[in-house]
Amino acid sequence: AQKITQTQPGMFVQEKEAVTLDCTYDTSDPSYGLFWYKQPSSGEMIFLIYQGSYDQQNATEGRYSLNFQKARKSANLVISASQLGDSAMYFCAMREPYSGGGADGLTFGKGTHLIIQP
Amino acid sequence: ETGVTQTPRHLVMGMTNKKSLKCEQHLGHNAMYWYKQSAKKPLELMFVYSLEERVENNSVPSRFSPECPNSSHLFLHLHTLQPEDSALYLCASSQGVPAGATDTQYFGPGTRLTVL
Repeated sequence: AQKITQTQPGMFVQEKEAVTLDCTYDTSDPSYGLFWYKQPSSGEMIFLIYQGSYDQQNATEGRYSLNFQKARKSANLVISASQLGDSAMYFCAMREPYSGGGADGLTFGKGTHLIIQP
Repeated sequence: ETGVTQTPRHLVMGMTNKKSLKCEQHLGHNAMYWYKQSAKKPLELMFVYSLEERVENNSVPSRFSPECPNSSHLFLHLHTLQPEDSALYLCASSQGVPAGATDTQYFGPGTRLTVL
């Protein structure tokens, strides 16, 4: 079963509009972290925002905010006032604790291709 | 200066070649990772190193061989690859040990590998 589900393969949004990218996750562990990354056509994965499972408030980082609904297991990314440079792939990812030593890999969703139109 | 660098950025190799991908992080991190990104598939974690020791290996074929000589450098040695191994290979690093609540992974630009 997929651990991270992103149901929007592609989205077209008008410049300056707000956009919400959906992400649902599946875990039975009470401690986990949720991340959003942006991947432009150049290929580099750029970290945007993080939400911890025990965080009481939704994370915000500039124009990015994370709408965290724990009971629904959703962690949607909201981009306010979209810009042409926001056009890219966006990936939701989750880190679950690993019983080994000191580092945990991320599980990624399939991504959403966001295109901002002028 | 970019925090995580990868070389080469592009690589074309035959199935009988041996090549290596290099990753270097300038962030003082303790953990490093290799991911594979194929077309139409989510990123797949390949290897995890913490304090230069491999802590996770996600059933990766033996034709991929990682090496972490120190906490700043990570290599992926490639030999007798198959065309289906063509992908974008991404390296990442994170603080790791001691891992805080926000142990964020920072990625390099990737190596685009084509196997003929």
